[in-house]
Amino acid sequence: DAGITQSPRHKVTETGTPVTLRCHQTENHRYMYWYRQDPGHGLRLIHYSYGVKDTDKGEVSDGYSVSRSKTEDFLLTLESATSSQTSVYFCAISGGPYEQYFGPGTRLTVT
Amino acid sequence: AQSVTQLDSQVPVFEEAPVELRCNYSSSVSVYLFWYVQYPNQGLQLLLKYLSGSTLVKGINGFEAEFNKSQTSFHLRKPSVHISDTAESFCAVSEYGGSQGNLIFGKGTKLSVKP
Repeated sequence: DAGITQSPRHKVTETGTPVTLRCHQTENHRYMYWYRQDPGHGLRLIHYSYGVKDTDKGEVSDGYSVSRSKTEDFLLTLESATSSQTSVYFCAISGGPYEQYFGPGTRLTVT
Repeated sequence: AQSVTQLDSQVPVFEEAPVELRCNYSSSVSVYLFWYVQYPNQGLQLLLKYLSGSTLVKGINGFEAEFNKSQTSFHLRKPSVHISDTAESFCAVSEYGGSQGNLIFGKGTKLSVKP
């Protein structure tokens, strides 16, 4: 398995609170991604990074921000969580223009 | 713009029967194609990929897929399924030479293998 960890694995938070999810890799891959998975929608890209401090928006970026200050860490922040952001969040990494490798996921519930 | 359509949201099948999960895509340029599998309460695992060359690709756990450019399809097949194949599978596409974030997923097909 690719060396990807996500923390926390489960989180319950209240509407309006800030939340930060962390993705950590030990593969030294250049590219990192954040997706959300919702029933009936498959996986949708939130943000991605193509290097330290280089990030770009994906399909569903509204309400989310990211940061990458080190190659190994990619943080996803919900500035003010809403119930519509209840989802399972997956981090992925890639060393090139081919397949991506996924972390175990974080289940976030916003009450 | 690219899109991926998985034609069946659920596929029930009996153990040891063959199965096909259908995937069609649309793109104006050449593509790379992937199938990922997600077992219950787990992350996504790469089953197989088509990058170039032979249109029949073999993956893990006895799965294979065939790239058909004229029909823009990449159907996943297994000749004989096991209970342990029960999972949700996702077809995905990325453009050749495209943005590194541009991996588009289908909405998934749940394979349910019954004894």
